[in-house]
Amino acid sequence: GEDVEQSLFLSVREGDSSVINCTYTDSSSTYLYWYKQEPGAGLQLLTYIFSNMDMKQDQRLTVLLNKKDKHLSLRIADTQTGDSAIYFCAGNTFMNYGGSQGNLIFGKGTKLSVKP
Amino acid sequence: DTGVSQNPRHKITKRGQNVTFRCDPISEHNRLYWYRQTLGQGPEFLTYFQNEAQLEKSRLLSDRFSAERPKGSFSTLEIQRTEQGDSAMYLCASRQTSSTDTQYFGPGTRLTVL
Repeated sequence: GEDVEQSLFLSVREGDSSVINCTYTDSSSTYLYWYKQEPGAGLQLLTYIFSNMDMKQDQRLTVLLNKKDKHLSLRIADTQTGDSAIYFCAGNTFMNYGGSQGNLIFGKGTKLSVKP
Repeated sequence: DTGVSQNPRHKITKRGQNVTFRCDPISEHNRLYWYRQTLGQGPEFLTYFQNEAQLEKSRLLSDRFSAERPKGSFSTLEIQRTEQGDSAMYLCASRQTSSTDTQYFGPGTRLTVL
C-alpha cells in the first residue's frame, strides 16, 4: 500500500521561504494534496496537484512534483508567523469499486515554526 | 457556514462506556469519510460511505466501532466499550465526485478515555 514520508520539523524566519518535502511510494495516486492543521483544529486544504503536472502555483504556494523520484514539495513564499502549523501531504488511493477513488493516505506531518 | 461540522468537539468518557459522534457533511457531497488521528501522527482512514452505502472499512475499525449514514446525509460513528487506546481525534471529511476528488475536513471530535 501507499506510504508517505515527511520530515518532522522545519524552522524558518519570518519573510523567508519555507520548503516542505514529501516522498511517496504509490505511483498510482492521481492527486497529491497539501493540508494545514493548526493546534486542536481539523485539516484545511491548501492545494493539490494532479499527477500529470510538474508544478502548480497558487499565490504564495508553489507545489513541485517529481514523479520519477516520487517526490513532492510545498514552497511557501514570504513565510509569516500565521503559517506556523503542521503540514500534511497526502495521496489518494484506488479502490476496487468500479475504479472509484477512496481514502487519503497521509504522512506524519511537518511542524513548521516561524520565528519573528 | 456550509463546511463540514462535527459534534461534539470534545468528549471525555470512562473506559467501558459507549460514545457516539456525529458528522454533517457539506450538503451536496455524496461521499463521507471517517479518519482517526493520534498525537504526532497523520490521519488514518477508518471507513467511508457513498451516499448511504458503507463501501470500505480499514483494519483499524475493530468490532467495537460502527458507523452509519442512514439517509445519505449525516453520519454517526459509535465506539462501544471504549478503551484508553481509543483516545484520539476523530475526523470526518466529505467530497463530491469530481475531477479533483478533494476531501474537506471537519474540525474533529477529540475523545479522551479515562
